[in-house]
Amino acid sequence: AQSVTQPDIHITVSEGASLELRCNYSYGATPYLFWYVQSPGQGLQLLLKYFSGDTLVQGIKGFEAEFKRSQSSFNLRKPSVHWSDAAEYFCAVGGSSGNTGKLIFGQGTTLQVKP
Amino acid sequence: EPEVTQTPSHQVTQMGQEVILRCVPISNHLYFYWYRQILGQKVEFLVSFYNNEISEKSEIFDDQFSVERPDGSNFTLKIRSTKLEDSAMYFCASKEGALVHTQYFGPGTRLTVL
Repeated sequence: AQSVTQPDIHITVSEGASLELRCNYSYGATPYLFWYVQSPGQGLQLLLKYFSGDTLVQGIKGFEAEFKRSQSSFNLRKPSVHWSDAAEYFCAVGGSSGNTGKLIFGQGTTLQVKP
Repeated sequence: EPEVTQTPSHQVTQMGQEVILRCVPISNHLYFYWYRQILGQKVEFLVSFYNNEISEKSEIFDDQFSVERPDGSNFTLKIRSTKLEDSAMYFCASKEGALVHTQYFGPGTRLTVL
């Protein structure tokens, strides 16, 4: 079955500290992987995506993610967190093979940033 | 930069009433989607729409739901007879084509069913 797991429901980090948000997926075909961010009361903003090629992808706001096929993971990282990064982060997987392109989302990780 | 827009931002309705949620996808996009997010839960796929027909729908998308692209710009989700459990944030998304995999999301419509 297709699924996305974000093991950490809630993470708190200090401003300036590094961040890693975990994402594991289960998908039968070649996965297309995404990270979206949702600020309170807002929609979903695309942070970054992985389709193929270099397994380390760069996104907006200084975020990066690394695709590890052997671990079925696509973890999101940022070297130094800013207070404005406090939000909810969703990992999502979509597919190839001519399907409709629906996305399957993880449960989300809420990031709190301490001053 | 082009963006997906949704109206209204918040809709309050009585149980059993019909609601229509509206979306304007990005103008050159061909694939359209509705997702919902019940408070505190993950975002769930409802339906995808391409070439004026539904291409895939989830188990959630039962006979109470319908989608339509009434003109060249709008994409609507209708809930025929709302239930309390339909209360959620509804997101519209669109993508450019079959070989383009990035979906762009609107800001959402918060539906509250009383």
